[in-house]
Amino acid sequence: SAVISQKPSRDICQRGTSLTIQCQVDSQVTMMFWYRQQPGQSLTLIATANQGSEATYESGFVIDKFPISRPNLTFSTLTVSNMSPEDSSIYLCSALGRDNQPQHFGDGTRLSIL
Amino acid sequence: AQSVAQPEDQVNVAEGNPLTVKCTYSVSGNPYLFWYVQYPNRGLQFLLKYITGDNLVKGSYGFEAEFNKSQTSFHLKKPSALVSDSALYFCAVRDRLTGGGNKLTFGTGTQLKVEL
Repeated sequence: SAVISQKPSRDICQRGTSLTIQCQVDSQVTMMFWYRQQPGQSLTLIATANQGSEATYESGFVIDKFPISRPNLTFSTLTVSNMSPEDSSIYLCSALGRDNQPQHFGDGTRLSIL
Repeated sequence: AQSVAQPEDQVNVAEGNPLTVKCTYSVSGNPYLFWYVQYPNRGLQFLLKYITGDNLVKGSYGFEAEFNKSQTSFHLKKPSALVSDSALYFCAVRDRLTGGGNKLTFGTGTQLKVEL
């Protein structure tokens, strides 16, 4: 199964700033995803990161707020822009190798906005 | 549309006793079903999946789950619980028919607490 590394693991940021989260997979994968999770709660899909093209965003999430890059089959970034306290959350990257395989997750980035 | 329900926010069980964490699902076609576990300050860890075949699926750490199509359920079970099993458990579904862009829908999670 794929091993997924996320950086940073946690951060405390000032209101109005932006943070870029990196996700590195140890093997080529077909699909990569970004989720948001409030501590102890369920996961909400932000977007699917598409290699070489614009990400596919879920309802309620927009590119200006959450720009995503995926330059190759093993790496993606999520930027949380113009942060406010409401953006305080855990951000998780996941990857999918083949269609009927499970998604595998990174350990997440715990973000607090002051 | 696909959805998952985990009716119990928390399940308490004594160590050595069997445990069950419940999950029901709704999809248009046939489902891919998954169970994940999350320990504090960690990401989700894959436990087991149902794709096709035997309704009883065996996974990591002694966990198993039974797919019941008529009841649209996929309950997670373990014959003998350990204190180290205490964690947050998520059931997830993907509709095999529509594909849905390989997107998973997660339940709200069930906190399992195993006590001595």
